[in-house]
Order: sequence, then structure tokens, then C-alpha cells
Amino acid sequence: SYELTQPPSVSVSPGQTASITCSGDRLGDQSVCWYQQRPGQSPVMVIYQNAQRPSGIPERFSGSNSGNTATLTITGTQPMDEADYYCLAWDSSTAFYVFGTGTQVTVL
Amino acid sequence: EVQLVESGGGLVQPGRSLRLSCAASGFTFDNYGMHWVRQVPGKGLEWVSGLSWNSGSIGYADSVKGRFTISRDNAKNSLYLQMDSLRAEDTAFYYCAKGSLPSRNRDYFDHWGQGTLVTVSS
Repeated sequence: SYELTQPPSVSVSPGQTASITCSGDRLGDQSVCWYQQRPGQSPVMVIYQNAQRPSGIPERFSGSNSGNTATLTITGTQPMDEADYYCLAWDSSTAFYVFGTGTQVTVL
Repeated sequence: EVQLVESGGGLVQPGRSLRLSCAASGFTFDNYGMHWVRQVPGKGLEWVSGLSWNSGSIGYADSVKGRFTISRDNAKNSLYLQMDSLRAEDTAFYYCAKGSLPSRNRDYFDHWGQGTLVTVSS
């Protein structure tokens, strides 16, 4: 089955840049979406179609996808960005949606 | 404003059934594919099932295939998940999620409900 691997945790200082990776076989051939989930809340989409930002999502969130790795970048990280982040992609071989393993972002 | 409100969760014994509902508002429901996603408390997200705008295309994760049935009633702006032969490992928060396309494939989930907790235990 298709797997998307993320680092379990990322730590960043306020105002610095956090990069969260999502790795999967030929992931660059797929469209990747990213979700933010704060404790006790539902997931919120922060990036879709690799690099598109939904309305209402701050400009500090950006995305890229190439080769086997998609990356979510938070530039100028704020304390409110502390959350779990998940990538999502469609696996055409199984016709399933696959989520990444999730990354806990801590703003120290 | 898009709103998705799940209901029907609760405590159920292994082997029994439960039906989840999702009431949708704030958008033209029959224009979009819809999905169920679950999350074991403290764990990651897992796509469970999805269907196209007209129920013509339906898919299930291997973990629930043959036990769960997804359906929708476009006249009632509602999505359902019939869960049979429940197991302890089905214990999770179940989220209703809206697609951005009429189909269920090659899409993403742009809005989510607040989730409903299903606990399978004797």
C-alpha cells in the first residue's frame, strides 16, 4: 500500500521558518494537500493542489512538491501555528486517499 | 458558510451496528463528492469512504470494506455511514468532509465537520 512519511515532530522558534516534509514514491506526480489540526479541533486545509492557499489562510503558509517529497513551509512561525500537520494525496493504484503520518509542530 | 454537522456516535458493543449522519448546509450539496475520515484519539487521520455527487462512484478503505456502507440523500443535504460488524479497532472520531469536485477521485477535502466519537467496547 502507498505510504506517506512525515517527521514525527518539528520544533521552531517564534518568527523562524518551519519546514515539514511528506515523502512518498513519485509523490511529485500527485496533487498534495496539507491540513492543520489544533488540539481538540477538526483539521483545517492550509494548502491544496501542492501550493495553493485557501482564502483566510495566512501568507506565511506555502507549499511545494517535486520528486518524492512535498514540503509545507511556515515562514515567520507564530505561536498559534503550534499544531499537528498532515499531508494528503490520492493513490491512483488503489483509488484510495492516503494521509501522511503527521507532524507535531512545536513553537518554542 | 459551509457547515457539516455529524451525529449518531456513541458507545456500541462489538459486532453491533451504528449509523452516522452528516447534515450539510451553506453550499449546493449535490454538486460535490463527500467523504468520511476517522481518527483514533491521539493518532493520525484515515480516509474511510467517499462517494460522488450522484452516488455513482463509491470507494472504501480496505479496513472497512464489506462492513461499512456510505450513502447520501441529496434532497435532505445529508451524508450517512452505516457501520456494521463493528470492532474495537473502529473506535475513533469520525469526520464528515466535503470534496471540491463532483467526483470522489483525485480531490481534496476542503471543509470538515466537528466529528462524532464512536466507541466500540463491551
